[in-house]
Amino acid sequence: GAVVSQHPSWVICKSGTSVKIECRSLDFQATTMFWYRQFPKQSLMLMATSNEGSKATYEQGVEKDKFLINHASLTLSTLTVTSAHPEDSSFYICSARVGREGEAFFGQGTRLTVV
Amino acid sequence: LAKTTQPISMDSYEGQEVNITCSHNNIATNDYITWYQQFPSQGPRFIIQGYKTKVTNEVASLFIPADRKSSTLSLPRVSLSDTAVYYCLVVNSGGGADGLTFGKGTHLIIQP
Repeated sequence: GAVVSQHPSWVICKSGTSVKIECRSLDFQATTMFWYRQFPKQSLMLMATSNEGSKATYEQGVEKDKFLINHASLTLSTLTVTSAHPEDSSFYICSARVGREGEAFFGQGTRLTVV
Repeated sequence: LAKTTQPISMDSYEGQEVNITCSHNNIATNDYITWYQQFPSQGPRFIIQGYKTKVTNEVASLFIPADRKSSTLSLPRVSLSDTAVYYCLVVNSGGGADGLTFGKGTHLIIQP
């Protein structure tokens, strides 16, 4: 199947700093990628839809100025958590859908810890 | 979006067959059923997908009755490594540009 790769796998940052997470589609082009957030023992929650060459679409309750998404090429989407705070600590996962039926492939996730 | 309901948790033993049932009473004609597996600190992994009747691959089988209001994921001869969270999703066939909606999933625990 298609491969989606995230980097870094984990990151620790100080409160108030910004962190960038990269999501790459390695063997296919993705005009659309998705960003999810998962808190411990909870399910994945869709944060935003990243569209190549245009603005991202954010789910209700997700601050677009805090979670900056850039999808500058068909194989790369980035999520920047700006002015991170401890409550932003979570597992962030990106995904892309492939093919006519849109099978979804997920990255390995990024564990963000804000101290 | 069709809502899914599945057991919060299940226990079984190595070598047993495990069946996880998901109900999706409001499934639409253009929807199909997809199951994902997630290990701790990893992204979900596709297991199987189907529209009706039975689908089988090298990992699992998916049984879908005629009314499609439920589906059952069957894992044959489970091992300890099958301990994970399993998510049942109803996905619109024309929704390739849409994100997926995950329910709470079923935490499957396999014991020796």
